[in-house]
Amino acid sequence: GDSVTQMEGPVTLSEEAFLTINCTYTATGYPSLFWYVQYPGEGLQLLLKATKADDKGSNKGFEATYRKETTSFHLEKGSVQVSDSAVYFCALSDTGGYNKLIFGAGTRLAVHP
Amino acid sequence: DAGVIQSPRHEVTEMGQEVTLRCKPISGHNSLFWYRQTMMRGLELLIYFNNNVPIDDSGMPEDRFSAKMPNASFSTLKIQPSEPRDSAVYFCASAGQGNSPLHFGNGTRLTVT
Repeated sequence: GDSVTQMEGPVTLSEEAFLTINCTYTATGYPSLFWYVQYPGEGLQLLLKATKADDKGSNKGFEATYRKETTSFHLEKGSVQVSDSAVYFCALSDTGGYNKLIFGAGTRLAVHP
Repeated sequence: DAGVIQSPRHEVTEMGQEVTLRCKPISGHNSLFWYRQTMMRGLELLIYFNNNVPIDDSGMPEDRFSAKMPNASFSTLKIQPSEPRDSAVYFCASAGQGNSPLHFGNGTRLTVT
């Protein structure tokens, strides 16, 4: 079945460092891809999405490009802030419809001043 | 837009007791999802509804778990009887038509002692 694999955390960075969180997927069709972020004590929030190959999703300085040839959707940010500390989830939409999402295990990011 | 509203935020109960978690989706959304989040298993999809009809409940762990959606603005997840291994954060999420992203509530943290 469809699945998502993320790099294990935690990822610990200093403020203003470059961030990459790797995500690869397995899917039988052509899913949409998402990154969600979860801050402590809160639910998941959509960070960005891409709906077809070569699309780039971007939001709040974060970017991810839908790479069909490598089945990847890596999350990047050029300069992280302490406020970016959170858990990041990569997800794909089940191609069966109904907007069902399949999530990766999540990657915890800790940014220190 | 009030977002997805879940209640209670925290629930502490003793083993064997019945627990009912509640969710009010975003008005106009026609899909509703119940997820469970634990450290060991990450985010697991328990059940989802479309237009108030259960579509897939294969993620419900046992017969002790049941979910209902009596109308478009309300859903419940019930555990009877509860067990300590049910301790987790339970999230409700809703989505609109088409390729629309999921919107999550802030979750209910359940502790079964």
